[in-house]
Parts: sequence; C-alpha cells; structure tokens
Amino acid sequence: AQKVTQAQTEISVVEKEDVTLDCVYETRDTTYYLFWYKQPPSGELVFLIRRNSFDEQNEISGRYSWNFQKSTSSFNFTITASQVVDSAVYFCALSENFGNEKLTFGTGTRLTIIP
Amino acid sequence: SQTIHQWPATLVQPVGSPLSLECTVEGTSNPNLYWYRQAAGRGLQLLFYSVGIGQISSEVPQNLSASRPQDRQFILSSKKLLLSDSGFYLCAWRAQGRIAFFGQGTRLTVV
Repeated sequence: AQKVTQAQTEISVVEKEDVTLDCVYETRDTTYYLFWYKQPPSGELVFLIRRNSFDEQNEISGRYSWNFQKSTSSFNFTITASQVVDSAVYFCALSENFGNEKLTFGTGTRLTIIP
Repeated sequence: SQTIHQWPATLVQPVGSPLSLECTVEGTSNPNLYWYRQAAGRGLQLLFYSVGIGQISSEVPQNLSASRPQDRQFILSSKKLLLSDSGFYLCAWRAQGRIAFFGQGTRLTVV
C-alpha cells in the first residue's frame, strides 16, 4: 500500500531563514510519481512540482529546491531565504502508476514565516 | 485549457439533511476524478476516486457516496449528514500519472 509521511506538523522560522520540509514515502511499485502542493489560507491547492521515480535529479526553481533520494524514499522540499508569502500548508503526495490511480497525500506541514 | 468547477463554495446544513456536491471538468476527456476531505487543521483524506463513468473506488467507509454519471462530472452525496461530515471538500482531476488540479473547494458546516 502507498503511504506518505510528513513528520513535521508545524514549522516556524524567521523571515529570510532557510527551511526544509520532509517527506518520506512507501510504495511497492518501481514506477511512481511524487508531488508537492501548497495550500495558502484561501484553501485552494497549488501544484509546485512533480517528479517521476526514474528521475532522481534534484530540481531548483527560484528559491525552491527539491531533493529526491530513492535510497531513503524521501522527497524533501527546501525554501531558501523564506518570505512571509511562503506561509502555508505544504503537502507531499504519491501516485503509483498503471492500474492504480490512487493519489495519496501526507498530512501536511504548516509553515509559518515570522516577519 | 482545462478547468475544474466545484460548487457551492460554502454550505451550512443541519444534521440529518441530504448533501449533494458537484464537480465538473472542462477541456479534457476521460479524466481521473477525486474527492478529498480536509477536516479543520488536518490533512487531505481521499474519499473516492473514479477512473471512468460509473467506476467508483471508495477509500473510507462512511455515510458518503459518490457517483460519476457523465465523463466529466463527479458528485458527492449523503442521505443524512452527521456532525462529523463537516470539513473542506476538494474535487480534483488528473490524467493518468500526471498532475492533479484542484477545484476551489466547498466548506461544509453541519449544524
């Protein structure tokens, strides 16, 4: 069965600090997709990134970066030089491929950036 | 381009009343469709997903049900609401293995 664990329930950092959100997943498939979503106070989920299981290359997008390590089943998300607008709940998600279209989310990490 | 519509945005219903939440997708065909619930301060719980018309997979046994009468329409229903059904309901669509796009959500309060 697929499972996503986000052990950090809440994190608070002072503005301009770097912060890493952890995500650990479980799956029996060799082919799968991992996602990160942001949920601002408005409630709508905003897609941030998708990574497939064959692509372990880390990705950087502006102040955001993602570290995918299959050896530890982790897909961590780092925000560099955090800003108040980064305050939100962040969700990691997993989808197995071919025959199982279930999309499972972790419980989320509430990030608060203190000005 | 694809869009997803979910309504209503907010809903206050008495205990024991029925529920019908509707979600429709435009600009795509044969999408996978999902219903999630988020209780206050909690994570996203997958309720139902559908890979085709009339095909519903239920993840959590409860007094809710889902139906997919048309390719791009997904309905969440209940015959009698419970207080514990309160929460934020999100509909999503995705093509196989791809990014899921979410609706604006429905905030349901059962009183």
